[in-house]
Amino acid sequence: QTVVTQEPSFSVSPGGTVTLTCGLSSGSVSASYYPSWYQQTPGQAPRTLIYSTNTRSSGVPDRFSGSILGNKAALTITGAQADDESDYYCVLYMGSGISVFGGGTKLTVL
Amino acid sequence: QVQLQESGPGLVRPSETLSLICTVSGGSISSSSYYWGWIRQPPGKGLEWIGSIYYGGSTYNNPSLKSRVTISVDTPKNQLSLKLSSVTAADTAVYYCARGSWDRYYFDYWGQGTLVTVSS
Repeated sequence: QTVVTQEPSFSVSPGGTVTLTCGLSSGSVSASYYPSWYQQTPGQAPRTLIYSTNTRSSGVPDRFSGSILGNKAALTITGAQADDESDYYCVLYMGSGISVFGGGTKLTVL
Repeated sequence: QVQLQESGPGLVRPSETLSLICTVSGGSISSSSYYWGWIRQPPGKGLEWIGSIYYGGSTYNNPSLKSRVTISVDTPKNQLSLKLSSVTAADTAVYYCARGSWDRYYFDYWGQGTLVTVSS
């Protein structure tokens, strides 16, 4: 079964820039996987950040951006703020109605 | 504004069937522009896609859950349902329902989630 890979954890300084990635255990991620990104804080439902690789969801600050970097999807946070400290999940659409979540990245802002 | 609300028993016995309802307000569950999904999150762990139902009734489930999952829609009630059979402690999780955008394949609205514990 296909595994979607993410860094388990990452840290960034306030005001800094961080790029989280989303890869495949076998193969490369492209726009045809419709990568999407979600932010989740403890005890809360996920919040949609990015869809279709690089489209920001309504109300999402422009310091969040999505892209394809090499063979992975990427979420870049520019000018990180304290309240960006969250878990971040990517989802890839595999076709035939199947979606797969990555394991998530715990981002620390310190 | 679309809102989703999960409901159902918070405790299920092992080997029984977990049944949840997601009530949708602010939008029609029968819209052809969207599909509807269930996602779960075991305590302290990541999110896992359970399955989705598309306009017309086609359903797709996580292969890891095999044939234990049944997802359906009650159009008059504007509700989505999930049934997960033969549950074990490993099925203990917060269960979320969400709306998916069919041509972009992402979840745009989420319910708040409901915790289901499997225990005798």
